[in-house]
Amino acid sequence: DAGVIQSPRHEVTEMGQEVTLRCKPISGHDYLFWYRQTMMRGLELLIYFNNNVPIDDSGMPEDRFSAKMPNASFSTLKIQPSEPRDSAVYFCASSSGYTQYFGPGTRLTVL
Amino acid sequence: KNEVEQSPQNLTAQEGEFITINCSYSVGISALHWLQQHPGGGIVSLFMLSSGKKKHGRLIATINIQEKHSSLHITASHPRDSAVYICAVRSNTGNQFYFGTGTSLTVIP
Repeated sequence: DAGVIQSPRHEVTEMGQEVTLRCKPISGHDYLFWYRQTMMRGLELLIYFNNNVPIDDSGMPEDRFSAKMPNASFSTLKIQPSEPRDSAVYFCASSSGYTQYFGPGTRLTVL
Repeated sequence: KNEVEQSPQNLTAQEGEFITINCSYSVGISALHWLQQHPGGGIVSLFMLSSGKKKHGRLIATINIQEKHSSLHITASHPRDSAVYICAVRSNTGNQFYFGTGTSLTVIP
């Protein structure tokens, strides 16, 4: 298996623009997690899904952030409108039990 | 107050030394994870613990549920062990995850 796939790997955009991050989990995994990592706050869980259903979105910072999982093999994290403070590395991870497998991350820079 | 506290924040060791990283937490948990993040940014899940002890190669992780404490040990450390080690717990109420701020380990040849 190719592991968790994230795209794009790097994204640079201007504030106010919409940003969409994509994740393909490992086939057969029923949990999908979205994390954000910054120097100031470290690693934070934003939202996670079980069988495509959002279970806990309490980590989503505000209404500008939204996440969807339309099927078992694809999820998106959308920021609209983006702000400079959204600059971070966004990781997606999937699991079928307790061990999570992380994607390589998307480094987002909002100018 | 952070739900998960790690110590030390930074650690420098000579190659071959035995290393211990500590993690204390304040919530009831269903599982504790140790993660490794290399300088390139990739994150690898090392262990998931709910009790006792696990060993994988030179890495050993232990957990004491009563004391709400876990340790990650590295025997015969090597420069390639240089990374940030992150402790994370999954609460047993509300399915929430909490993360430590990480321990940055540098192993010098």
